[in-house]
Amino acid sequence: QSALTQPASVSGSPGQSITISCTGTSSDVGSYDVVSWYQQHPGKAPKAVISEVNKRPSGVSNRFSGSKSGNTASLTISGLQAEDEADYYCCSYAGNSKLVFGGGTKVTVL
Amino acid sequence: QLQLQESGPGLVKPSETLSLTCNVSGGSISSSNYYWGWIRQPPGKGLEWIGTIYYSGSTYYNPSLKSRVTISVDTSKNQFSLKLSSVTAADTAVFYCARLLYGVPDYWGQGALVTVSS
Repeated sequence: QSALTQPASVSGSPGQSITISCTGTSSDVGSYDVVSWYQQHPGKAPKAVISEVNKRPSGVSNRFSGSKSGNTASLTISGLQAEDEADYYCCSYAGNSKLVFGGGTKVTVL
Repeated sequence: QLQLQESGPGLVKPSETLSLTCNVSGGSISSSNYYWGWIRQPPGKGLEWIGTIYYSGSTYYNPSLKSRVTISVDTSKNQFSLKLSSVTAADTAVFYCARLLYGVPDYWGQGALVTVSS
């Protein structure tokens, strides 16, 4: 059960769009439409920003969107704002009640 | 409003057993729609799934930790618990409890830092 692969860091200027990839295998991301994305600010608990590949939980800005193609899921943040600076983690269901996380991506707003 | 709150000792000695409890409020742990899980995050590192439990008591563990982990549920108290045995400094982490929907977390507790040190 290997971790999902995310870029270590992504940056963008305010107002720009950025995309974070999350690559798994045919045993996790590729097999299930159960991929979530979490935003984590320093010292805080993770907070879901995308569930089930592309659904936004209540209260989450529509600037966050998700998608999936094959074994890779993606999180796009449009209209980047200073408050979006945080760590982002993807997570996929991996069958038999197992789940796997990505290594995390640090988003920097320039 | 669902709330999850971790509790337990913040300091555990090497080779001993780490014990944490997650108290669930604002919702029933016996709901058939959800599973409940433990996730940890070593300082400065990423998230690692520890294990999952259903209200019936069925458990599922990360293979890398399976030999040392026990997760249990107490529906009468609306809480579930984690025990991690034979801990070392590498087990120092913030431990989160979470509600799982379709197998992945949707609500998280605030986290509890557990340090393994003599």
